[in-house]
Parts: sequence; C-alpha cells; structure tokens
Amino acid sequence: DAGVIQSPRHEVTEMGQEVTLRCKPISGHNSLFWYRQTMMRGLELLIYFNNNVPIDDSGMPEDRFSAKMPNASFSTLKIQPSEPRDSAVYFCASSLLDVSGNTIYFGEGSWLTVV
Amino acid sequence: SQQGEEDPQALSIQEGENATMNCSYKTSINNLQWYRQNSGRGLVHLILIRSNEREKHSGRLRVTLDTSKKSSSLLITASRAADTASYFCATDPSGNEKLTFGTGTRLTIIP
Repeated sequence: DAGVIQSPRHEVTEMGQEVTLRCKPISGHNSLFWYRQTMMRGLELLIYFNNNVPIDDSGMPEDRFSAKMPNASFSTLKIQPSEPRDSAVYFCASSLLDVSGNTIYFGEGSWLTVV
Repeated sequence: SQQGEEDPQALSIQEGENATMNCSYKTSINNLQWYRQNSGRGLVHLILIRSNEREKHSGRLRVTLDTSKKSSSLLITASRAADTASYFCATDPSGNEKLTFGTGTRLTIIP
C-alpha cells in the first residue's frame, strides 16, 4: 500500500487566498483525521470522519476552515480566506478501528506558508 | 488541549545508551500509544498499550503504563543514530479513535 497520500507537499500562498489540501487515505480504512502541527501549539486534531461522515469538528479553528470527504478515498481541507497564522504543517491520517486498536497512519504532511 | 505531556522536552545521549521518555496524561484512557516523527516527516506508530496492560515490548522498545499514576514510559535500549527523532505519546480516552497527542520529546543520539 502506498500509505496516506497528501498534496501538495509544500504551498506558499498570499494572505486572503483560498488553500485546498488534499488527502487519499489508505484503502480499506474507515476513519480519516486532519491534524495541524505548529511549534507553539503542537499537534492538534482539527476534524475526523468515520465512514465519510464528520464525527467531531470541534478542533476546527473557525469558519474559514472546512473539510469534506465525498467518498472513502478522498478528503479535502479548505482554508478561505487564508491568514499568516494558518501557516503550519497539516497532516492527514487514516485508521481502521478493529479489535487490535486504532493505530493511526499519517501522511507526510502539507507544509503551508501564508505570507 | 494537550492530553499528554512528555518529559523531558529534549534529550541527548550517546549512541549505545538507553533513552527513557515519560508521558503523563489527565483522564482515564482506553489505550496509550507512542509515535515517532523524523524531521520533516509524518508520525509513525511505534507501539500501543492497553489500559489493562502494564508492560509491552517491541524489539528495542519497552513501554510501561501505570494507570494509577496516569503515566507511561518509553525505553529505547542500545540507541542508534537513526533513533534521533521526536517521540509523542497519544491517548484515546473513550476508545472512539480520537487520539490526543502530547507535546513530544526531541531525542538526539550522538554518534
């Protein structure tokens, strides 16, 4: 399996622009997570989906952030409009909850810089 | 909010020595996991220990869990330069997959 695939790997954008981050989870996994990592705040869970349905979006910082999962193999995290404080590494992760637990598999991250 | 807090924040040791990292958490848990993150990369799962387990081994890794103290430790024996990374504990309070990560320990192995 190719693992969790994220794109773009790096993006630099101007303040006010729309940013769309994409994720392809591991085939067969039924849960998908979006995390944000910064030096100041560490690793924060933004939202997670189970069977394509958003279960908990309490970590989404504000209305500028939105996430969708139209099918089991694709998810997007959108920021509109972007602000410099959104600069961070955004990780997508997926898992299959089963009797062995809920090991989460991370993508390599999307490094976002908003100038 | 951070559920887990790792200690120390940073650790430097000589290659071949053992490295111990600790994690404290606040609420009761279903399981606790440890992850490694190499610089510029995503997190990689290392080991999971359930709330009814006290110790678990995987290769050079040894994890302990003390639910009465709400703490866990990760021991890496015979450290190697490739072990240089940040290590995070993650807890699952309710068993619903919502993992909350700690602040991490940055481990540096000096060749």
